[in-house]
Amino acid sequence: DVKVTQSSRYLVKRTGEKVFLECVQDMDHENMFWYRQDPGLGLRLIYFSYDVKMKEKGDIPEGYSVSREKKERFSLILESASTNQTSMYLCASSLASRPRAYEQYFGPGTRLTVT
Amino acid sequence: DQQVKQNSPSLSVQEGRISILNCDYTNSMFDYFLWYKKYPAEGPTFLISISSIKDKNEDGRFTVFLNKSAKHLSLHIVPSQPGDSAVYFCAASAKTSYDKVIFGPGTSLSVIP
Repeated sequence: DVKVTQSSRYLVKRTGEKVFLECVQDMDHENMFWYRQDPGLGLRLIYFSYDVKMKEKGDIPEGYSVSREKKERFSLILESASTNQTSMYLCASSLASRPRAYEQYFGPGTRLTVT
Repeated sequence: DQQVKQNSPSLSVQEGRISILNCDYTNSMFDYFLWYKKYPAEGPTFLISISSIKDKNEDGRFTVFLNKSAKHLSLHIVPSQPGDSAVYFCAASAKTSYDKVIFGPGTSLSVIP
């Protein structure tokens, strides 16, 4: 059974803290993605990676950075957390070959609250 | 500006009846469309997809219809079951966009027993 795991289900951080969200997939997928989900806005892409050490900005990269040192692991970093980064964060992975590349497998999500 | 729109935030349907979830898009470069289902406290799961060269794709109780001229697609669930109660996200992608997928805001479906 394919699996995407995220390091925490719930996280509470203070404004200004550095926050690390970790994602691991066991499907040998080339692509990995970070989204945030907010009510009425759906899933918005923050960053994605199509190979180790490769990254591309998504639609809302401001305030975030990412790291992909190994194929199975993709980290999202909030350099200085702010209250407007309170959200549900979802990690996903997919194969690189179309059309299967569009079929993404998601982790359970991390509910981050910044106070 | 949202490129994928789902204008109904919620929908209620009686068990056994048809559920129709609608989606509109604005980007004419989109050539592949997907539906994802999300239960509370879980990540979205892929449900069904359709290429722009087709106008219909069926998988069991789920059928997706694509009307390219209207830039509209719909998901039909027949018959609806209580376990179908979830948030449904419409999504789209274009060949030119790496493997990025653009998601709509979602429609919350409640199937009433």
